[in-house]
Amino acid sequence: NAGVTQTPKFQVLKTGQSMTLQCAQDMNHEYMSWYRQDPGMGLRLIHYSVGAGITDQGEVPNGYNVSRSTTEDFPLRLLSAAPSQTSVYFCASSYSSRAGVQPQHFGDGTRLSIL
Amino acid sequence: RKEVEQDPGPFNVPEGATVAFNCTYSNSASQSFFWYRQDCRKEPKLLMSVYSSGNEDGRFTAQLNRASQYISLLIRDSKLSDSATYLCVVIPFGNEKLTFGTGTRLTIIP
Repeated sequence: NAGVTQTPKFQVLKTGQSMTLQCAQDMNHEYMSWYRQDPGMGLRLIHYSVGAGITDQGEVPNGYNVSRSTTEDFPLRLLSAAPSQTSVYFCASSYSSRAGVQPQHFGDGTRLSIL
Repeated sequence: RKEVEQDPGPFNVPEGATVAFNCTYSNSASQSFFWYRQDCRKEPKLLMSVYSSGNEDGRFTAQLNRASQYISLLIRDSKLSDSATYLCVVIPFGNEKLTFGTGTRLTIIP
């Protein structure tokens, strides 16, 4: 049981380049989300999804796109990388119920540097 | 006011001592609360949920004060391995957006 798998673990990009951060989970979780973590800022929600075909914006969605074509995968796309997007990115998943989202399982993170 | 606030610390505590820290939240409709632990350069991991009546898990005790809108985490007989950043998470009822605090850094000193 792999849990939440993020790839790549490290990436360096030049300003203006695009790339996709991959996230996959094998726990059949409905809810998946992407966060970025910056020093002193804590974890901030970028985008989330409550099921295949459904996505919504979080606190800091600008510059990022997501899609959820399957339950297992939730890729995060950087459209045109900017130095302000240098951060550690975490993908997370959980069950979801009418009462709300359950505790999150996190991937190992992707450390992204934009030059 | 931030939705969720934590004292960033650092809290430097001798081994064996008891330490407690709080997390305040602004949304009175918040329903679910959790404490996560994050080691340096690692992903956050769930430490414990916080129940209305308070709950305990070994040396860890979590409390919820709805009137004053804060949750707390108490660690007794602290161990060196407790050194980490502790993040609180608040979720309003039926809401799909989790809000994390910025974390409290704890260092246990031998």
